Amino acid sequence: DTGVSQNPRHKITKRGQNVTFRCDPISEHNRLYWYRQTLGQGPEFLTYFQNEAQLEKSRLLSDRFSAERPKGSFSTLEIQRTEQGDSAMYLCASSLERGENTEAFFGQGTRLTVV
Amino acid sequence: DAKTTQPNSMESNEEEPVHLPCNHSTISGTDYIHWYRQLPSQGPEYVIHGLTSNVNNRMASLAIAEDRKSSTLILHRATLRDAAVYYCILRGFGNEKLTFGTGTRLTIIP
Repeated sequence: DTGVSQNPRHKITKRGQNVTFRCDPISEHNRLYWYRQTLGQGPEFLTYFQNEAQLEKSRLLSDRFSAERPKGSFSTLEIQRTEQGDSAMYLCASSLERGENTEAFFGQGTRLTVV
Repeated sequence: DAKTTQPNSMESNEEEPVHLPCNHSTISGTDYIHWYRQLPSQGPEYVIHGLTSNVNNRMASLAIAEDRKSSTLILHRATLRDAAVYYCILRGFGNEKLTFGTGTRLTIIP
């Protein structure tokens, strides 16, 4: 297992288009997280899944954003009607629930540029 | 989430120890102290975490003040590869998300 994988690594899209990103977590990890990071800032939490259930969503996740994890394995993050303000690095992370604070493993991210 | 305060930037010479401070005066009794780092063009990477006692692992040591209102991440012998942004994060038990601040940008001088 090579860790958390995100595709594509880079995406350039025109304003108003829809985009979808994919995250493949570490295989035995039951928790999956999405974060967004803009230049000079730390990552901001968007949402997380335990298995296929989406358990928490940030207020940052507007109606144009939707995330799924249909079989409790890979996840997709879709942004509809993209805006220039959506330009950011989108990071996925996964972890294994062990009943205490556990480490999250991050992917390298998908960099979105909306032109 | 309780807030952490870190210096914006620090410099250190290669092969010398580095002490990265973090203040968290509003920490609650169930908050764990986590450290992550982010190398250029990479996602964040877990470094270490602790609750009350000092912790050591292969990457670093974490020294936690007795009143838990501050902590220090110690890199024992900095290398150029340790140049990164270091984030100090408080995470309550059962709180699944990590709340990142702006971190400390560590520069290693050859």
